[in-house]
Amino acid sequence: GAVVSQHPSWVICKSGTSVKIECRSLDFQATTMFWYRQFPKQSLMLMATSNEGSKATYEQGVEKDKFLINHASLTLSTLTVTSAHPEDSSFYICSATEDSMNTEAFFGQGTRLTVV
Amino acid sequence: DAKTTQPPSMDCAEGRAANLPCNHSTISGNEYVYWYRQIHSQGPQYIIHGLKNNETNEMASLIITEDRKSSTLILPHATLRDTAVYYCIVRPPLAQKLVFGQGTRLTINP
Repeated sequence: GAVVSQHPSWVICKSGTSVKIECRSLDFQATTMFWYRQFPKQSLMLMATSNEGSKATYEQGVEKDKFLINHASLTLSTLTVTSAHPEDSSFYICSATEDSMNTEAFFGQGTRLTVV
Repeated sequence: DAKTTQPPSMDCAEGRAANLPCNHSTISGNEYVYWYRQIHSQGPQYIIHGLKNNETNEMASLIITEDRKSSTLILPHATLRDTAVYYCIVRPPLAQKLVFGQGTRLTINP
């Protein structure tokens, strides 16, 4: 299957700083990417849908000014957690699809964020 | 989006077939059934998907009932590496996003 790569795999940052997570589709062009967050022992929660060249669409309850998403190319989307707090510590996962009609989504390996 | 219901956990002996049920009684006629799994601390992995007919690939088989209100994912010869959380997802045809439920935590025992 297609490959989606996230970087970094894990990161530790201090409260108040910002952290950027990258999501790349390595062997296909992804017009749409998705960002999820997962807390321990919970399911994945969709945060936002990222469309190349346009503003991201955020799910209800997700602060767009705190979780900045940029999708500048067909192979790269970034999630920046701004002014991070300990409660932002979580597992962040991206996914990407090649087109819009019922193809499988491919997921990155996830990024473990710990805010201290 | 159609809601799915899965048992929270299941156990299966290594080498045996693992049968994971999913109820999706409110599924619409054009919605697909997708299965993903998530091994601890990794991103979800695509397994299989289908619309009406049963499907089989190198990983698993998907059996969808004739009324499409439920389905079963079959791992024919489970191994310890199949221990994971399995998610059954119903996906509208024009929607790209996948909305995850709570899934089934499958434990394969030696």
